[in-house]
Amino acid sequence: SAVISQKPSRDICQRGTSLTIQCQVDSQVTMMFWYRQQPGQSLTLIATANQGSEATYESGFVIDKFPISRPNLTFSTLTVSNMSPEDSSIYLCSVEIRGAAEETQYFGPGTRLLVL
Amino acid sequence: AQSVAQPEDQVNVAEGNPLTVKCTYSVSGNPYLFWYVQYPNRGLQFLLKYITGDNLVKGSYGFEAEFNKSQTSFHLKKPSALVSDSALYFCAVRTRYNFNKFYFGSGTKLNVKP
Repeated sequence: SAVISQKPSRDICQRGTSLTIQCQVDSQVTMMFWYRQQPGQSLTLIATANQGSEATYESGFVIDKFPISRPNLTFSTLTVSNMSPEDSSIYLCSVEIRGAAEETQYFGPGTRLLVL
Repeated sequence: AQSVAQPEDQVNVAEGNPLTVKCTYSVSGNPYLFWYVQYPNRGLQFLLKYITGDNLVKGSYGFEAEFNKSQTSFHLKKPSALVSDSALYFCAVRTRYNFNKFYFGSGTKLNVKP
């Protein structure tokens, strides 16, 4: 498994501003993912972030709105840009552990974002 | 298209009784199936998974799930529920065709009453 931390754990932001969320893993992982969980809903994949390459975004998500960095194998950031109240969600990062006994995604504790 | 269905928004059980949280899936190819639990104000915690082999999978906290290929189901079960099991449960599936992507169900809220 993996131990994943996120910063900040929660934030209240004003419309039009941007917030950068950090995700730190206690071991080197190739694949990291960013999800959004809107209030009362399931998880939606925003993008896949592999070290050394551009992030791959899912339909409905664009780099200008959700720029992602992946500078090394233990760290990634997601920025929510030009925020609006519709961006109020929980943002979760996850990592992929692959191998004969794994092939599982492990999730961070999430960042709870409220946009006013 | 790949999808996961959790037909019950909420399941209520009394402490000590058996519990079942239902999950059905629709995928192309052989599925990899997962259950996660989300406690209030927490991230998702991995419970168990089915990749191949024995259809009955045992996981954390006494939970188990049974893969049923003919019914395309992967129901989560526990013989005796605890109040502390009250949480939001998510079923998820992935396939070799799009291995990077997890498809999550809508979630089922489990309420265990003392």
